[in-house]
Amino acid sequence: DGGITQSPKYLFRKEGQNVTLSCEQNLNHDAMYWYRQDPGQGLRLIYYSQIVNDFQKGDIAEGYSVSREKKESFPLTVTSAQKNPTAFYLCASWDRRNTGELFFGEGSRLTVL
Amino acid sequence: AQSVTQLDSHVSVSEGTPVLLRCNYSSSYSPSLFWYVQHPNKGLQLLLKYTSAATLVKGINGFEAEFKKSETSFHLTKPSAHMSDAAEYFCVVSDREGSGNTGKLIFGQGTTLQVKP
Repeated sequence: DGGITQSPKYLFRKEGQNVTLSCEQNLNHDAMYWYRQDPGQGLRLIYYSQIVNDFQKGDIAEGYSVSREKKESFPLTVTSAQKNPTAFYLCASWDRRNTGELFFGEGSRLTVL
Repeated sequence: AQSVTQLDSHVSVSEGTPVLLRCNYSSSYSPSLFWYVQHPNKGLQLLLKYTSAATLVKGINGFEAEFKKSETSFHLTKPSAHMSDAAEYFCVVSDREGSGNTGKLIFGQGTTLQVKP
C-alpha cells in the first residue's frame, strides 16, 4: 500500500541534543512538508520541499533543518537551538498532479525531558 | 493573502443529531478548500475538498460541505452524528501565488467535535 511512514512514533530527548525524525513516502510525490502541531494552534509549516535537492523555510523554521537527497525521503532534524521542541510533528506529501490533496503520516511525538 | 477561520474551537452534539462545523475563509483567488479530520495521536485524513466544481461537496463518512462565495464560508455538516465522529476537524485553504498553487496549505485552528451518547 502507498503511503507515508514516519518514525519513531514517540521520541524522548534531553535538552541540548539534536534529534532526527524520519519521513518516507512511496507515493511518487515531488513535494513534501513538515508541520508542527501544538494544542490549540492548528498546524504550522516548518519546511517544505517541492523537488529533490531543494527546500524552503516555512513559517517556523528556526531551530530546525532538513535535507532532500532522495524523492522518497525528507528527514527533519530538531536541533538544540529549537527553544521549545516538545510537540507533535507531521510529515506530508502533495499529490500535485491528480487530487491536489496532502497525504499525512501518522506523526511523531517528541518530548524534551 | 489567504486565511481561514474556524468559528468554534469546540462543538458538542448528541449521537444521532446534526453536526455543523463552521469555517470562513479569505482568499484573493478562487480558492481550493479542504476539510481534514484528525483522531487522537494520528495523522490527518481528507474528508472532502472543493476545487471550483459543484458548490455542494460530498465527502467520506456522510459529511458534506457547501461553498458559499458570497458568505466566504465552507461549513461542514453531517445529518446524524456517530460516536466515531469525535475528533479534531481542520478547515484548510490552499495557498496560491499568481496562477500557481504552491502546495502550501493554510490551516484553521481546528474544531474539536465531542459526541455524547
